Amino acid sequence: NAGVTQTPKFQVLKTGQSMTLQCAQDMNHNSMYWYRQDPGMGLRLIYYSASEGTTDKGEVPNGYNVSRLNKREFSLRLESAAPSQTSVYFCASSGYGTESYEQYFGPGTRLTVT
Amino acid sequence: QQPVQSPQAVILREGEDAVINCSSSKALYSVHWYRQKHGEAPVFLMILLKGGEQKGHEKISASFNEKKQQSSLYLTASQLSYSGTYFCGTEVRGSQGNLIFGKGTKLSVKP
Repeated sequence: NAGVTQTPKFQVLKTGQSMTLQCAQDMNHNSMYWYRQDPGMGLRLIYYSASEGTTDKGEVPNGYNVSRLNKREFSLRLESAAPSQTSVYFCASSGYGTESYEQYFGPGTRLTVT
Repeated sequence: QQPVQSPQAVILREGEDAVINCSSSKALYSVHWYRQKHGEAPVFLMILLKGGEQKGHEKISASFNEKKQQSSLYLTASQLSYSGTYFCGTEVRGSQGNLIFGKGTKLSVKP
């Protein structure tokens, strides 16, 4: 039982390059989330998916796209990376709608855009 | 609207107590508390679902005052392992379980 896994752990991009961050969970959760964390800012929601086949914008969606490939996997794509997207990205999942819906976080991806 | 956490940082000696507050301008359905150690992912501590509810986790407990839209996290007899940044995440009714996190409170426990 791995929980929430993310790849890659570290990434350096040049401005304008694209990349996809991968996330998978094995807890049979319906809800999945992508956050970014910047120093002193807390965790800010980029996109979320309440169930397979649905996605919605969070607080800071500009410059990102997501895909809920199936119940397990939720990917985040940066089409044209900008230095302002330098951050730590966390994927999370929860059993929202069940008795206990705390969020479980992956280990994070540290992204630097130069 | 991001909840406001206070204090921003606190330094304790082992065995001392601390209180971390989380205040929202919106009516809350629940409050979640997480702890994050440096370089790691946030880890769930507890959820408070009802007004006035108190929950406990080891020597860490929390309260939720629905009327005041506030929650407090109580750390008693602190241990070195309590060091980290504590975040509250607030949920409003109808938000499908989505949380808005505060900026965090950095807790340092010294020997």
